[in-house]
Amino acid sequence: AQKVTQAQTEISVVEKEDVTLDCVYETRDTTYYLFWYKQPPSGELVFLIRRNSFDEQNEISGRYSWNFQKSTSSFNFTITASQVVDSAVYFCALSEVNDYKLSFGAGTTVTVRA
Amino acid sequence: NAGVTQTPKFRILKIGQSMTLQCTQDMNHNYMYWYRQDPGMGLKLIYYSVGAGITDKGEVPNGYNVSRSTTEDFPLRLELAAPSQTSVYFCASSRIDRFEWGRNTEAFFGQGTRLTVV
Repeated sequence: AQKVTQAQTEISVVEKEDVTLDCVYETRDTTYYLFWYKQPPSGELVFLIRRNSFDEQNEISGRYSWNFQKSTSSFNFTITASQVVDSAVYFCALSEVNDYKLSFGAGTTVTVRA
Repeated sequence: NAGVTQTPKFRILKIGQSMTLQCTQDMNHNYMYWYRQDPGMGLKLIYYSVGAGITDKGEVPNGYNVSRSTTEDFPLRLELAAPSQTSVYFCASSRIDRFEWGRNTEAFFGQGTRLTVV
């Protein structure tokens, strides 16, 4: 069973628009981590944010913000005032306390047009 | 700061050939992972290790072998290359402390190895 689902395959926006990426996860553990990674066209994987299951406080970090809701098993990520450099594939990932393996979603390709 | 280093960056193999993808990390992380990423797809776990001398299978281990003789190194071996193994391979490491939750880190990834089997 897929543990992390990113239903949006591709999103295209114009610069300065906000972009929200959806992530739904599945786990039986009560203790786990959630992550967002960015993969720019150059191919490397860049860590963006991490949240643990005990902390549902939503935060803002620069132009990034996230909305973690355990009740709906969702961990959505928003880029505010998007820029062309935000064009990348964004992955949501889950790490469960039993084994700490990272399970990735299929990714959402974000294209920001000037 | 080197972080996670993978070699080579690119490789073309012929069907049936063997090769080893090298991965080393200098952060003293206990956990290490190998993932493969097929075009347009997410990352799938091949093997992982929780410490020197301990390895375990991930989702897609067939056709691969690993070893972890030191904390720093986690090589991935392809014995008989097949076209289905054409992919980008990522090595990663993280620090996991099962008792000190707040000390756990995210996974740090290498730059990737682009492998083509023809």
